[in-house]
Amino acid sequence: QSALTQPPSVSGSPGQSVTISCTGTSSDVGTYNRVSWYQQPPGTAPKVMIYGVNNRPSGVPDRFSGSKSGNTASLTISGLQAEDEADYYCSSYTSSKIVIFGGGTKLTVL
Amino acid sequence: EVQLVESGGGLVQPGGSLRLSCAASGFNFNVYWMSWVRQAPGKGLEWVANIGRDGSEKYFVDSVKGRFTISRDNARNSLYLQMNSLRAEDTAVYYCARENWSCQDHWGQGTLVTVSS
Repeated sequence: QSALTQPPSVSGSPGQSVTISCTGTSSDVGTYNRVSWYQQPPGTAPKVMIYGVNNRPSGVPDRFSGSKSGNTASLTISGLQAEDEADYYCSSYTSSKIVIFGGGTKLTVL
Repeated sequence: EVQLVESGGGLVQPGGSLRLSCAASGFNFNVYWMSWVRQAPGKGLEWVANIGRDGSEKYFVDSVKGRFTISRDNARNSLYLQMNSLRAEDTAVYYCARENWSCQDHWGQGTLVTVSS
């Protein structure tokens, strides 16, 4: 199964909002509400920021939000802060009963 | 506090085998699915396999089917990944993760597997 499609990079200035897209198919993102987003600063393990399309684990700032339309899920980070600079990955459950990840997006805070 | 600690990584020759372990603590291990996710150097995340609560259900990414097996010992709160017929493309940091409704909600620090002659 092919990886979900994410833009390689996005950037924004402090205080701005950025949105990262994650495009799949009707066999994954389009059918299942099991889309998650992970943040991975360099040299560290990933950390879940959003699960179930739009749910935030406790401790994750409400500046992070998720949504889905059709085969595309999105992560929006509002009020961008320097500490948000990291790689971001989406993932989805699939009809093959496995999980697939996106290729990752590098967020640069200008 | 949920803790996942991987071990067993190292350098292995192509065609060789390695067994990774993950020691879990801080949660009721036997009520969660568990998974392995890997990350090749400088690359993105790749989900490798998962296993159900009692070990009866297991799923694998196509690239490791027939070569890797996943198992768990609920009495020891441990997860395992047996990797056989290793290839250069299996070189990666392997993360153990707790899975909750297809979300990897807690991760270990990872263990590096290098396949090289």
